[in-house]
Amino acid sequence: ETGVTQTPRHLVMGMTNKKSLKCEQHLGHNAMYWYKQSAKKPLELMFVYSLEERVENNSVPSRFSPECPNSSHLFLHLHTLQPEDSALYLCASSQGAPSGVRVTQYFGPGTRLTVL
Amino acid sequence: ILNVEQSPQSLHVQEGDSTNFTCSFPSSNFYALHWYRWETAKSPEALFVMTLNGDEKKKGRISATLNTKEGYSYLYIKGSQPEDSATYLCAFVMGYGGSQGNLIFGKGTKLSVKP
Repeated sequence: ETGVTQTPRHLVMGMTNKKSLKCEQHLGHNAMYWYKQSAKKPLELMFVYSLEERVENNSVPSRFSPECPNSSHLFLHLHTLQPEDSALYLCASSQGAPSGVRVTQYFGPGTRLTVL
Repeated sequence: ILNVEQSPQSLHVQEGDSTNFTCSFPSSNFYALHWYRWETAKSPEALFVMTLNGDEKKKGRISATLNTKEGYSYLYIKGSQPEDSATYLCAFVMGYGGSQGNLIFGKGTKLSVKP
């Protein structure tokens, strides 16, 4: 499972900290995604980047700031988070427009974030 | 608010049992349905993408059917093995509107297969 990698795998941070999550895809894809899974909730889409441009921001608070410097890398910058932001954050990538009917998304293993 | 419901939430079976679970989704504005398999501490892995009413897909001992008119999909596992233990997610894709093209996930069915 090395197609999509995420670092770190676990992160504990205080509410005043600033940290970043990193995602890298080795599949040659041109779209990347951030998802959040809170306890007992389904995976929720946060952001979509297609050809390095953000095409979706799913009403995510500004304390989450994505960055896509190139088609292989995606970051999620975190600042002044709240304890309720503790969750599993998953990155995914795909080839082709996100709206493509048969587009399959390939996921990373996630970063388990705990906000104290 | 779009709801994708999966049932049951969890399932415990013995090795060799066959099992099935359900994904229910809005029957209007259907575009596609995805099934994923997610083992603990690993990445979700794509199983099937289904688009046509009546579609049937098969991958080894796992198969899926799709009914877009009534808004459900079944996932079947024949002769469950311990390595089938995972959470099975379905994701609905709507054809138009604000969430067009985005995957809307259910909460999953967690399958445990005892040897």
